[in-house]
Amino acid sequence: NAGVTQTPKFQVLKTGQSMTLQCAQDMNHNSMYWYRQDPGMGLRLIYYSASEGTTDKGEVPNGYNVSRLNKREFSLRLESAAPSQTSVYFCASSRPRAGYNEQFFGPGTRLTVL
Amino acid sequence: KNQVEQSPQSLIILEGKNCTLQCNYTVSPFSNLRWYKQDTGRGPVSLTIMTFSENTKSNGRYTATLDADTKQSSLHITASQLSDSASYICVVSAGNAGNMLTFGGGTRLMVKP
Repeated sequence: NAGVTQTPKFQVLKTGQSMTLQCAQDMNHNSMYWYRQDPGMGLRLIYYSASEGTTDKGEVPNGYNVSRLNKREFSLRLESAAPSQTSVYFCASSRPRAGYNEQFFGPGTRLTVL
Repeated sequence: KNQVEQSPQSLIILEGKNCTLQCNYTVSPFSNLRWYKQDTGRGPVSLTIMTFSENTKSNGRYTATLDADTKQSSLHITASQLSDSASYICVVSAGNAGNMLTFGGGTRLMVKP
């Protein structure tokens, strides 16, 4: 199993450009998540999808859109990139276990917006 | 607002030595507390998960403790190795809809030979 995969690994955008970050998992998990990680700060939830066909806003959704394409894939789109969106983006998926959801993270996408 | 604070922010120790990382949280209602290891350029990987009723859990040379009364947790690393160099992140799950996670900023540990 590859686990959670993300593409691309690195990306540089100019302000105003758009792009889509791709995420896929092969663990048959229902729930998937997008986080951003900024220096010195904890990961913050952007959007999540509890199951195929549903998406919900997290803590910092402004400037982003998501699509849960199918059970495996969950993409994050920046319609008009801004320098404040320079960050490392992590996708995760989770499975239920004895009273909690165990989350598995992808390797991350490092995005720079100039 | 739910918060997780970790200390120290960074730590340097010599190979073979022990160390303890601290985590304080204000998350309500509490469901569980997790410690993750994040290597440079990689995603976080789970080390331990503790629920309200557990006060200690081990994973090899890693031992986590939880005091739910004082809302504190610690991660003790025994006989450190160079491969322990990483960021260690404390994460607390709220027992509400969606089981949202609150992440600490992490402690960056460097183990030197």
